[in-house]
Amino acid sequence: DAKTTQPNSMESNEEEPVHLPCNHSTISGTDYIHWYRQLPSQGPEYVIHGLTSNVNNRMASLAIAEDRKSSTLILHRATLRDAAVYYCTVTSGTYKYIFGTGTRLKVLA
Amino acid sequence: SAVISQKPSRDICQRGTSLTIQCQVDSQVTMMFWYRQQPGQSLTLIATANQGSEATYESGFVIDKFPISRPNLTFSTLTVSNMSPEDSSIYLCSVADRGLGEQYFGPGTRLTVT
Repeated sequence: DAKTTQPNSMESNEEEPVHLPCNHSTISGTDYIHWYRQLPSQGPEYVIHGLTSNVNNRMASLAIAEDRKSSTLILHRATLRDAAVYYCTVTSGTYKYIFGTGTRLKVLA
Repeated sequence: SAVISQKPSRDICQRGTSLTIQCQVDSQVTMMFWYRQQPGQSLTLIATANQGSEATYESGFVIDKFPISRPNLTFSTLTVSNMSPEDSSIYLCSVADRGLGEQYFGPGTRLTVT
């Protein structure tokens, strides 16, 4: 399973966009890129996933590099409730997730 | 989506004892996973538990220490055996169904071993 690398922490001002990067240079052709977030004292929550094309949903957008070796989770307008640890993970059809250290996002009012 | 509950939500146990954690899902799902999250750390996959087959353990985790049952498509248990303080962690179950592309996680069981 491919490993992922993310910055340990990031800060954003409320109501501004946030771009959370993830490197997955060992990704294989059939691996999906998933993003989860974990709010304090809760289990991880699904955010978004994709394979090759950029993806949008009500929570966020996922921009995938053309070579698929990196991706960026985009929160269009950060709110205080978006403060969490964001995990990027890469998985094949086994659905096994290997979580990296994640990025702790702090949102400033 | 799937709603997952875990019991107990937390427990304090003495070393040398065992604790069984239950994971209940509100719908039938193919795959279940058990994770451990040590204080301040990321999640580590313990094993995959699919109904009708033996659990598959990740490197560093063995069946004698973490026996798992998966009697049907909505329920699983993880037992933490012969506990030591190093087993103090949050244990989470998650579920996935083929084709959905996402997993749903339970709230976790916070275990403290004294």
